[in-house]
Order: sequence, then structure tokens, then C-alpha cells
Amino acid sequence: DAGVIQSPRHEVTEMGQEVTLRCKPISGHNSLFWYRQTMMRGLELLIYFNNNVPIDDSGMPEDRFSAKMPNASFSTLKIQPSEPRDSAVYFCASRLGEWAGELFFGEGSRLTVL
Amino acid sequence: TQLLEQSPQFLSIQEGENLTVYCNSSSVFSSLQWYRQEPGEGPVLLVTVVTGGEVKKLKRLTFQFGDARKDSSLHITAAQPGDTGLYLCAGSSGGSYIPTFGRGTSLIVHP
Repeated sequence: DAGVIQSPRHEVTEMGQEVTLRCKPISGHNSLFWYRQTMMRGLELLIYFNNNVPIDDSGMPEDRFSAKMPNASFSTLKIQPSEPRDSAVYFCASRLGEWAGELFFGEGSRLTVL
Repeated sequence: TQLLEQSPQFLSIQEGENLTVYCNSSSVFSSLQWYRQEPGEGPVLLVTVVTGGEVKKLKRLTFQFGDARKDSSLHITAAQPGDTGLYLCAGSSGGSYIPTFGRGTSLIVHP
């Protein structure tokens, strides 16, 4: 069975450009998370969806970041305009159910903004 | 915001040594998870603990949840090079179903 699929794996862009990261969760999972990982700050939650509805977006840094989940099998994280401080590895994770369930992570999208 | 402090931040040991890493918070958690992350990959769940005082064993790894459910430890016996990786703890509390992660302990086991 396929795990969480993220694309692209690597993205290098210039400051000011729009970046779109994509995620396909595991089929049947109803919770989806976007995290950002840096050496300085570790894994930080950006946004949490449950049944395709954003439940907690308090971790979204600012208006430059937006996330959507149009259906149960697809989510996007968009950064517009991108800045060098957005450089990080962005992870998508999905979970079946809530509470103490296991998070299944994708392999991440490494973003470098020059 | 619940903060999870992990220590040590870095650990470099020889194969066969024992080690313990810690995860501490001032918050009470309803559940706590440990994940391991290898370079270029996403974290993978090792264990979930939910009861204060709970101890779980996974081969050479022993996980303990503190009695007050504010802290946890991971002990590895006879470490092997395959144990190398970033060990992350993640806690969920109250009505939140959203795991908060510590910054991790980066472990290197030398052959």
C-alpha cells in the first residue's frame, strides 16, 4: 500500500516566486498535517485538517502561506511570495482517526529559496 | 503552546554502549509518542505511551512515560550503527489531537 506521497522532493527557487507543495495522504486517513522542519526550530506544525476541514492553522507563519484540501486525497501548501527564511523541509503526514493515532509522514519536500 | 525539551541534543557513542535520552515538559500529556527519523526521510513511529508510569519495550529499546505524564525517556541497550538517527518525542494533551514535537536527539553510533 502506498504511503504518503509528497511532491516535489526538492525545489530551488528565487525570492519572490510562488511555491506549491503537494501531498497525497494514505487512502482512508481523515487527518492531515503539514509540518516544517529546520535545524533551529525542529518540526513545527503549520496546519491540521480533519475530514478536509482546516481545524488549526495557528502555525501558518503569515499571509504568504496558504493551504487547501479540496478532497480527501489531495492537499497543497502554497507560499507566495517566497522568502529565503522559508527554506526548510516541509512534511505532510496523515493519520487514521484522532488522539493517539500514528502519524504517517511523507518523505518531505526540501525547499531552498535563494 | 506546550514545549517539549529533549536532551541531550547530540549523542555520539560506540557500538555496544547503552544510552538514555529524555523528553521533558511542564505540561501534562494524554499521550506521548517517540519517532525515529533517518536522513532524507520522514519520521517513523516507534511507540505510543498513554498511561502514567507505563513502560514499553521494543527489542533493545525501552520507553517509559513518567508517573505525572509530563516526561518520558528512551533507553537503548547495546546500541548498534543501525540505531543512528534523530529521535523525536511528540505529545498530545487535553482536547488537542495535534502532536507537538520536541527538537530531537541526534544519535550517531560508531561501529
